[in-house]
Amino acid sequence: GAGVSQSPSNKVTEKGKDVELRCDPISGHTALYWYRQSLGQGLEFLIYFQGNSAPDKSGLPSDRFSAERTGGSVSTLTIQRTQQEDSAVYLCASSSQQVWNSYEQYFGPGTRLTVT
Amino acid sequence: QQQVKQSPQSLIVQKGGISIINCAYENTAFDYFPWYQQFPGKGPALLIAIRPDVSEKKEGRFTISFNKSAKQFSLHIMDSQPGDSATYFCAPSGNYQLIWGAGTKLIIKP
Repeated sequence: GAGVSQSPSNKVTEKGKDVELRCDPISGHTALYWYRQSLGQGLEFLIYFQGNSAPDKSGLPSDRFSAERTGGSVSTLTIQRTQQEDSAVYLCASSSQQVWNSYEQYFGPGTRLTVT
Repeated sequence: QQQVKQSPQSLIVQKGGISIINCAYENTAFDYFPWYQQFPGKGPALLIAIRPDVSEKKEGRFTISFNKSAKQFSLHIMDSQPGDSATYFCAPSGNYQLIWGAGTKLIIKP
């Protein structure tokens, strides 16, 4: 079956512009995560969606960042008024969490965002 | 506390050698201890994981060793191959949120 897909794969934008990044999780996965990964660094948690529950937004770095998940499937991460420090790879992951304490996350290939 | 410390930051191993990466954690509520592997340009993928009720788990050339009292777990790669060259992350968890280590860049020299 299809894995997690993300689009676009690369995005170059000018400072101050808004961008939208899309994530299509694995069908049937109820949990969805967004992460940010700067070059050569670890993963920085941004936001978590689980079913119809309120999302965990504790990792969003500023109010310029927002995300939504429509119909419990596709998710969009929006960055408003982009800054150069927003340049990174944005990774999406999904998880079934059907088995108690099974938190294996399946990652997409990421969107490389470059703010000029 | 949620801090996770991974070491070393980078590692060079000769082909056929043993690669060892360590992860120390502080939160005693963690009950899931995975290692993820990431190749350049790709997202991380689960390599192997262990529960705290066992001290070791082996899958092929990859072994996790878990020391609950020391709050540490490690990844051992036996007979390391050039195809194992990647970045490895530990990411222990006690709930839905994995707490990611900073990563170890492993290079296997042919």
